[in-house]
Amino acid sequence: DTGVSQDPRHKITKRGQNVTFRCDPISEHNRLYWYRQTLGQGPEFLTYFQNEAQLEKSRLLSDRFSAERPKGSFSTLEIQRTEQGDSAMYLCASSSSKLNTEAFFGQGTRLTVV
Amino acid sequence: DAKTTQPNSMESNEEEPVHLPCNHSTISGTDYIHWYRQLPSQGPEYVIHGLTSNVNNRMASLAIAEDRKSSTLILHRATLRDAAVYYCILREPWGKLQFGAGTQVVVTP
Repeated sequence: DTGVSQDPRHKITKRGQNVTFRCDPISEHNRLYWYRQTLGQGPEFLTYFQNEAQLEKSRLLSDRFSAERPKGSFSTLEIQRTEQGDSAMYLCASSSSKLNTEAFFGQGTRLTVV
Repeated sequence: DAKTTQPNSMESNEEEPVHLPCNHSTISGTDYIHWYRQLPSQGPEYVIHGLTSNVNNRMASLAIAEDRKSSTLILHRATLRDAAVYYCILREPWGKLQFGAGTQVVVTP
């Protein structure tokens, strides 16, 4: 397994457009997380899946944001009607539900809204 | 809000040890202490974790205070590749990581 992969690595979009990011977790991991990171800050939690169920959503996740994890495998994060404030690095991580195993992060998708 | 407090930055000379402190005075009995680091332009990377006892692995050591209200990550011999932001995190039971701003480690040749 090559680890957590995210696609695309970079995305430039015009304000008001919709964008979708994909995350492929480590295959045996049943937990998947999305985080957002802006320059100089630590990552902020957005949402969490266990298998295909979305179990928690941060208040940061406005109604323009939606995440899915069909069949409990890969996940997508969609942002509708993008705003300049959405410009950030979007990170995906996965882990196993065994007690206190570490999370593995992808390299992220850098979104720039112009 | 992050439940841990760390210094903004620390500087070390290459080949010398680095001690990174972290305060977590509101830690609960079931919280594990996790450390991650983030190199430039990369996602965070797991370093080490512990509950009550000190822990060692190939990357670092973790010293946990007896009252668990603080911990220290120890990099035994800093290299230039250790220059990164180090995050001290209290991991929630289902795996959510609440990152703070972390400590920027600068390693000088």
